[in-house]
Amino acid sequence: EAGVTQFPSHSVIEKGQTVTLRCDPISGHDNLYWYRRVMGKEIKFLLHFVKESKQDESGMPNNRFLAERTGGTYSTLKVQPAELEDSGVYFCASSQEGRGDNEQFFGPGTRLTVL
Amino acid sequence: RKEVEQDPGPFNVPEGATVAFNCTYSNSASQSFFWYRQDCRKEPKLLMSVYSSGNEDGRFTAQLNRASQYISLLIRDSKLSDSATYLCVVNNRDTGRRALTFGSGTRLQVQP
Repeated sequence: EAGVTQFPSHSVIEKGQTVTLRCDPISGHDNLYWYRRVMGKEIKFLLHFVKESKQDESGMPNNRFLAERTGGTYSTLKVQPAELEDSGVYFCASSQEGRGDNEQFFGPGTRLTVL
Repeated sequence: RKEVEQDPGPFNVPEGATVAFNCTYSNSASQSFFWYRQDCRKEPKLLMSVYSSGNEDGRFTAQLNRASQYISLLIRDSKLSDSATYLCVVNNRDTGRRALTFGSGTRLQVQP
């Protein structure tokens, strides 16, 4: 079974530019999550989709971040305009609805560098 | 204060040693507890869930003390392949949120 995939694996952009990250969850997983780790800090939650609906977006840092999951399959996270402090690793995770221990499977991450 | 606190280490131990990691969490409403393992520049992977009664998986034993809001992970007979960062993770499922809250991790280096 294919795991969570993310694209691109790396992105280097200049401050003020736009970047779009993509996540493909494990097939059949209704729950999709975005997390990020900025340098020197712990991994922090950004938001949670159930199918195409945003269930919890309490971790989104500001309105420069826009996440979508049209059709309830893959998700995109757009940062516009990017700032220096957005640099970090963006992880996507997915989990199966109804699984008791809420095991979340993580993708390999997208390493974003804003210059 | 961080919601999940861990000693960052590194813990440098010889092969075959027993090593223990501790973690404390501040939110008494936390309901689910996990240890994740993260290799350098890789994604976190679930090592084991932590249950109130304590649980064991091979060389790994996890314990939870709700009264003290404390979680531990014990690794027996350390292998070189155990070298990684161990992340203590909590979740407050009863509030309806599925967000995981991570500690900053404890780095383990097992030496030959």
